Amino acid sequence: DQQVKQNSPSLSVQEGRISILNCDYTNSMFDYFLWYKKYPAEGPTFLISISSIKDKNEDGRFTVFLNKSAKHLSLHIVPSQPGDSAVYFCAASSLIQGAQKLVFGQGTRLTINP
Amino acid sequence: DTEVTQTPKHLVMGMTNKKSLKCEQHMGHRAMYWYKQKAKKPPELMFVYSYEKLSINESVPSRFSPECPNSSLLNLHLHALQPEDSALYLCASSQPGTGRWYEQYFGPGTRLTVT
Repeated sequence: DQQVKQNSPSLSVQEGRISILNCDYTNSMFDYFLWYKKYPAEGPTFLISISSIKDKNEDGRFTVFLNKSAKHLSLHIVPSQPGDSAVYFCAASSLIQGAQKLVFGQGTRLTINP
Repeated sequence: DTEVTQTPKHLVMGMTNKKSLKCEQHMGHRAMYWYKQKAKKPPELMFVYSYEKLSINESVPSRFSPECPNSSLLNLHLHALQPEDSALYLCASSQPGTGRWYEQYFGPGTRLTVT
């Protein structure tokens, strides 16, 4: 069973406009949610996170919104830039046996068009 | 320094070979992780070491053997692998017991091909 889902495999956005990436989860025990960005042949790079007790977190051009009742989160990038073109993974964190476990969504490939 | 390094970058091995992947971090993190990522799939957790002790083993076959010799080093020993084990192997680290314990920093990965 997939506990974290990103239903859009790809998204294309005009430079300067807003990019919105979505993520749904099923497990209410997740305590943090994270977004990672990945370029080909590189490891994922941490972007932004949100605690399960918050509904919004902002860092520069990146804002993450959490709707706990809908088990849904989204990443907003404003304004979108060509360098934002990458695969974005949503991940959910839980503490198991005293250690952190991250479960990743399938990823969304974001393309920013000039 | 927020860097996690992994060696080698690429590895090709036969099914009877024994090889090791190496991961190193100098951020003082006390939790280290191995993930496996197949093409067009998300990273999947394999092992978690917390304070140099194995905390999580996600039912990984015994042909993968992790080792954490010290707090900054993590190895993954490979033996008698199958072609379906070909994947990108990612290492990550985080610092438990701090305000941002949930943030994991990833290395660039080792691209493994089993022939």
